[in-house]
Amino acid sequence: DTGVSQDPRHKITKRGQNVTFRCDPISEHNRLYWYRQTLGQGPEFLTYFQNEAQLEKSRLLSDRFSAERPKGSFSTLEIQRTEQGDSAMYLCASSYRSSRGLNTEAFFGQGTRLTVV
Amino acid sequence: GENVEQHPSTLSVQEGDSAVIKCTYSDSASNYFPWYKQELGKRPQLIIDIRSNVGEKKDQRIAVTLNKTAKHFSLHITETQPEDSAVYFCAASFGYALNFGKGTSLLVTP
Repeated sequence: DTGVSQDPRHKITKRGQNVTFRCDPISEHNRLYWYRQTLGQGPEFLTYFQNEAQLEKSRLLSDRFSAERPKGSFSTLEIQRTEQGDSAMYLCASSYRSSRGLNTEAFFGQGTRLTVV
Repeated sequence: GENVEQHPSTLSVQEGDSAVIKCTYSDSASNYFPWYKQELGKRPQLIIDIRSNVGEKKDQRIAVTLNKTAKHFSLHITETQPEDSAVYFCAASFGYALNFGKGTSLLVTP
């Protein structure tokens, strides 16, 4: 599978612990997105990168959440001091935007399912 | 982001019938409207999308219509098959990202 890959697929952690997830986008894609999905809901936007620059963050994103994309390739999402309400599926997506402003569709990864106990 | 409302939340049809899912959005700047299909435990996958300069788009059994004035768009699946059973999400662009509806769980019974 040469699509978007995420690691780990599942993570169980105790409340108060820090967790970090990784996303490897499709190699030529310059845009990377993080979404969160809870049961019975659609994906909820968290943050977005254009190359290595983080250009947008949801106002719903707690300061316990931080994301990086240091070299414009893979990205990490860290949650500090996890809470039970952080339990969700964390989805990464990537797309390509050309210099002419044309965008490809966003391709999603399989997600990382986080359970905070 | 702005809200995207999606209806119905569940839809059950018999094989061969048509299915229609409707969405409304509130951000007048939205100009891209994709539809994703998500099977249980799998990633969302794009099935069709439409941009604001087009009113309708069709791909085999799937079609999408867009009414920008009314800010609503719809997904139409004809000749449904059991493998169409899944959760379908509409989305509307805001800035560089997408706002998703809450999903429609479609069940196609043989």
